[in-house]
Amino acid sequence: QVQLQESGPGLVKPSETLSLTCAVSGYSISDFYWGWIRQPPGEGLEWIGSVNHRRGATYNPSLKSRLTMSIDTSKNQFSLKLSLVTAADTAVYYCVTSYGVEGDRFDPWGPGTLVTVSS
Amino acid sequence: QSVLTQPPSVSAAPGQRVTISCSGSNSNIGNYYVSWYQQLPGTAPKLLIYGRNDRPSGIPDRFSGSQSGTSATLGITGLQTGDEADYYCATWDNSLSAWVFGAGTKLTVL
Repeated sequence: QVQLQESGPGLVKPSETLSLTCAVSGYSISDFYWGWIRQPPGEGLEWIGSVNHRRGATYNPSLKSRLTMSIDTSKNQFSLKLSLVTAADTAVYYCVTSYGVEGDRFDPWGPGTLVTVSS
Repeated sequence: QSVLTQPPSVSAAPGQRVTISCSGSNSNIGNYYVSWYQQLPGTAPKLLIYGRNDRPSGIPDRFSGSQSGTSATLGITGLQTGDEADYYCATWDNSLSAWVFGAGTKLTVL
């Protein structure tokens, strides 16, 4: 059974880079696709992107210019970097297991981590 | 403005049945399966329905999904107070080249 756990700073300054890591247990990171989804406080869900060990990363076009996603097979984890952040990037960030870029579901989800962008 | 349109809220009494709609277009629901997620207060979303009408292990058959054309529907029977949550639909959009979510529907069990 796959389990996911996000980690990273809870506070990031405007114009800096948000960096998060998702530790995967119960399955090899080389299998499946892995993704990030965020939820601003009191709002809905937004897909950030997906990454696969062999196929690379696919990003939400609205965030693509600021995004980098990568996989570390030695640590069985994947990561997210979002540059030039503003207050609009304040959200709970969830890492998820995906089943293809256009796959049919996200399951399971990590518990989420709140990232606040503020000086 | 979400690409997928859901009603902001629905309500029903315990034991009753409720449906939540999700309306899209040919670039999303018209060509891809919709998945449904339940988000209980203060927790991460959880997958309820995916594919044609598949449920992950542990999801009771009180939850069901259907889709036709450019719309999808989540059905919940035998409502329980523990079903009070926000429900989201999601699918791939080949025009946007991105996954898209509905804005969510808040279910109240009266």
